Amino acid sequence: QVQLVQSGAEVKKPGSSVKVSCKASGGTFSSYTISWVRQAPGQGLEWMGRIIPILGIANYAQKFQGRVTITADKSTSTAYMELSSLRSEDTAVYYCAREMVSGSYYFDYWGQGTLVTVSS
Amino acid sequence: QTVVTQEPSFSVSPGGTVTLTCGLSSGSVSTSYYPSWYQQTPGQAPRTLIYSTNTRSSGVPDRFSGSILGNKAALTITGAQADDESDYYCVLYMGSGTVVFGGGTKLTVL
Repeated sequence: QVQLVQSGAEVKKPGSSVKVSCKASGGTFSSYTISWVRQAPGQGLEWMGRIIPILGIANYAQKFQGRVTITADKSTSTAYMELSSLRSEDTAVYYCAREMVSGSYYFDYWGQGTLVTVSS
Repeated sequence: QTVVTQEPSFSVSPGGTVTLTCGLSSGSVSTSYYPSWYQQTPGQAPRTLIYSTNTRSSGVPDRFSGSILGNKAALTITGAQADDESDYYCVLYMGSGTVVFGGGTKLTVL
């Protein structure tokens, strides 16, 4: 069974950066893509970007271009999402999700979520 | 920028049928957008219900079905149950590797 296990909650100061990890097990990590989705308190889901681990290529939603970096370490089956220049509006639960992108586009497995709180 | 639209809220009686929709601020949704649907309860990660317009994810009851209705993607719940009370999100593939979530529909069963 595929599992995505994310790192724990973070509290960050405005202007700093946060790096959240997502460790995959039970599948062939390099065969899929990993996306990051966030959800601000009381708000909807928002796609941030994805990485194709086998290629190491990432693409990002326009809103986050220049501020987010998604990477992957194939040796540990772990994906990372780093968000910089944090502001209070970045307070959210951040989810990783395995995404199918061949012949269809959907998320089939989700991490448990990581709460990032940005506060001075 | 194209916005993916969903009804903010909907209500259904237990045992009833409800259809939630997913549209575009400009244009029509077709199967080429690979619409998918997700259910989320408070404090939980989303759960995948439907992908590629009408394919149910593993373990999803057949009372959930997906389709294209007119110019929108649709999620129909037949025989609604109390534990279907959740937020429902659609996702559309917009091309160039970009996907966009709809704003979500809060479904009440009462």
